[in-house]
Amino acid sequence: AQSVAQPEDQVNVAEGNPLTVKCTYSVSGNPYLFWYVQYPNRGLQFLLKYITGDNLVKGSYGFEAEFNKSQTSFHLKKPSALVSDSALYFCAVRDGGNTGKLIFGQGTTLQVKP
Amino acid sequence: DGGITQSPKYLFRKEGQNVTLSCEQNLNHDAMYWYRQDPGQGLRLIYYSQIVNDFQKGDIAEGYSVSREKKESFPLTVTSAQKNPTAFYLCASSIDWAISNQPQHFGDGTRLSIL
Repeated sequence: AQSVAQPEDQVNVAEGNPLTVKCTYSVSGNPYLFWYVQYPNRGLQFLLKYITGDNLVKGSYGFEAEFNKSQTSFHLKKPSALVSDSALYFCAVRDGGNTGKLIFGQGTTLQVKP
Repeated sequence: DGGITQSPKYLFRKEGQNVTLSCEQNLNHDAMYWYRQDPGQGLRLIYYSQIVNDFQKGDIAEGYSVSREKKESFPLTVTSAQKNPTAFYLCASSIDWAISNQPQHFGDGTRLSIL
């Protein structure tokens, strides 16, 4: 069965420092991976996706993610964090069956301190 | 602007009462989804609909019901059988459930609480 794990409940970084939010996955077949961000009392906003091709995927708001097949990871990165990046981040993998549904990790809270 | 509209933003339910959460999209998407979000548990799928007049149970469908009579609308009813309904409910849509590389788009959610 497909699954996603985000091993850190919270990540703390100082503004201007690089950030990484970790995600590992387990799928049968090719993985279709997504990152979303959620601000308080709002819905999820799509950041980026990996379908196939380059292992470094660039997305919205300066975020990028590195796909590593051997480590089954899809970590979210940003070279220089902003206070406004503070939010809840979700990694998701598309279910391999005939549903189209996404399977989400439990989420990681990113706190960027000034 | 195209998007997904969920209403109301906040909803309160009394014991034994059914309540209905609205979800409307003007993106012309075929597929729609309802998720439940609880703190520290990520999102869990309640129901999904791949096309109008069709819907399927997700992972936690007990105590919920849906309808999909129109392409743009996918209302969720939380019935009195759902014993722990307090949560944040998110509606999403995608162009076509079979297109793997398309993301889902989300509404801004409805927060349901018990009186």
